[in-house]
Amino acid sequence: EDQVTQSPEALRLQEGESSSLNCSYTVSGLRGLFWYRQDPGKGPEFLFTLYSAGEEKEKERLKATLTKKESFLHITAPKPEDSATYLCAVQARSARQLTFGSGTQLTVLP
Amino acid sequence: EAGVVQSPRYKIIEKKQPVAFWCNPISGHNTLYWYLQNLGQGPELLIRYENEEAVDDSQLPKDRFSAERLKGVDSTLKIQPAELGDSAVYLCASSLGGEGDTQYFGPGTRLTVL
Repeated sequence: EDQVTQSPEALRLQEGESSSLNCSYTVSGLRGLFWYRQDPGKGPEFLFTLYSAGEEKEKERLKATLTKKESFLHITAPKPEDSATYLCAVQARSARQLTFGSGTQLTVLP
Repeated sequence: EAGVVQSPRYKIIEKKQPVAFWCNPISGHNTLYWYLQNLGQGPELLIRYENEEAVDDSQLPKDRFSAERLKGVDSTLKIQPAELGDSAVYLCASSLGGEGDTQYFGPGTRLTVL
């Protein structure tokens, strides 16, 4: 059974204080690992897809990396508008649906 | 380009009443998903459609839940009768299909069963 565990559950940062969110996963053959951002009352918003260990992708202050067992979402010099819940999900080669973690709720204080 | 559209955004009903949710996917997306999201949790798949065909409905509680996707475009998810434990956010997503295709989500319908 595919599993995704995200840590920490919640993270509070001061504006400009860089940090990382962790996503540990087990999957029977990884097709892709996905990062989404979810604001309160909204649906998940796509950020990145990573396909193989060693791959990295960047978007503004966010950088996602992937190993064979986990992925990290690095946030550099965050701003209050980066506050949201960040969801990690895996897609197995044998399936199309995403298996999500419970998310990390990030709060960036001004 | 318009994203995934869902309606209603909010619904409050009494237990044992029926309820229906509607989804219009991104134009050209053949694959449509319905997910359920409980508070503080990630979304969980209920059903996946490839065009008009439901190809994965193993997580759909078929005694009370039903879904359809007529003409391979819009989709409706129905609950009858609703139970207190059905209170959650119901998300619709769509994708083009193929290798590593990205799923794009709608805003969801928040259901409250009293």
